[in-house]
Parts: sequence; C-alpha cells; structure tokens
Amino acid sequence: KQEVTQIPAALSVPEGENLVLNCSFTDSAIYNLQWFRQDPGKGLTSLLLIQSSQREQTSGRLNASLDKSSGRSTLYIAASQPGDSATYLCAVRRGSSGSARQLTFGSGTQLTVLP
Amino acid sequence: DTGVSQDPRHKITKRGQNVTFRCDPISEHNRLYWYRQTLGQGPEFLTYFQNEAQLEKSRLLSDRFSAERPKGSFSTLEIQRTEQGDSAMYLCASSLGQGRADTQYFGPGTRLTVL
Repeated sequence: KQEVTQIPAALSVPEGENLVLNCSFTDSAIYNLQWFRQDPGKGLTSLLLIQSSQREQTSGRLNASLDKSSGRSTLYIAASQPGDSATYLCAVRRGSSGSARQLTFGSGTQLTVLP
Repeated sequence: DTGVSQDPRHKITKRGQNVTFRCDPISEHNRLYWYRQTLGQGPEFLTYFQNEAQLEKSRLLSDRFSAERPKGSFSTLEIQRTEQGDSAMYLCASSLGQGRADTQYFGPGTRLTVL
C-alpha cells in the first residue's frame, strides 16, 4: 500500500526566503506526482505535475523535483511572499496497471510566510 | 476557480438523515473522482467514474454511500443514515485522461457537519 509523508507538518518563514517542502512515498512504482495548494476551507489548486519519466517541473517561482528511486519529491518556492501562505499537499498516482487512477495524498505542510 | 463546481458548499444535518451532494466537472472531462478530507489530513479517495461507468470504489465507501454519474456529466454522492463520523469535506475532481500528464482539477468541496 502506498504511503505518502510530508515533513514538516508546519513551517513558518520570513518573507523573501527561499524554502523547500519535502514529500516521500513508499512505493516507487508511480505514474505521476502532483503538488497542490489548499487555502483554509477551500478546495485544492494544482500547482505542478511531474510525470514518472521526468525529473523536475517549473512554474514561475515554483520548482518541483522527483527522484523515484529514493521515493522523494521536493517543492522549491523562491522568494516567498505572504500570499504563498497555505497548506501544500503532494499526491502520487500509482503505476498504470489496471484502472488505478486515484491519488494518494500526504497530510500536507502548512506554510506561513511572515511579512 | 478550476471550473469544477460543487453544490451545496455547506451542509448541516442531523444524524440518521440522508444527504446528497452534486458535482459538475469541467465539461470535456470524462473522468470524475470523489475524495473525502478530514481536518488536518490529506484527501482520501472514495470512487472514480470514467464517463458513466463507476470503475473504482474505495473500502471507505460503505454500503451507506452511493455515487452516480448518469449521463457521464454531473455526478451525485448520496450518504444514507448519516453518522457523526461522516463529518468531513467531500471533494470532487475531474480530469481529461491524458496518460502520465493527466492532471486532476478539484472543486471547492462540500463541507458536511453531522450533529
């Protein structure tokens, strides 16, 4: 059974700092990995998707990397802003066998960027 | 706004009552997913539709839960005889089915409170 862990559970940084969020998963036979952002009481916003054959993806100030062999992904946020404050979730979709479409989520890292 | 809508956004009910939630996916998406999220946790998969066919159901989906997607467009999730443990955010997602690049887009969720 796939398990996804995100450490730390909470992180507080001053504005302008670069930061890294970590995600680890137990089964390396993944199809893809997505990073999401969730604001309090709201749904999830997709940030980046990394296919299993890729090593990284970039969007603006965000860069996500994937190392399947070690079961790890990182989300790098450059020049953090107070508006980046949210919970960041990573989710993996397992290998393509059968109809295994669902995502398995970590519990998230709650990020606070202080002005 | 991801383009996935859910109704209602909030539902308060008494234990033992039945409730029904609706999800309208992005119009061209043939895949639709239901997840449940409790406080401080990542979403957990409930069920998956491809067009009108329900192809996967989680063990979390007890006999009191039923989901439909009658014409391959909107979907409903019904919970019968609600229990306090059903209190959670119910999230709907949809995707286009793009292989390893398939991104799931989430709606704002329906928050259920069972008294």
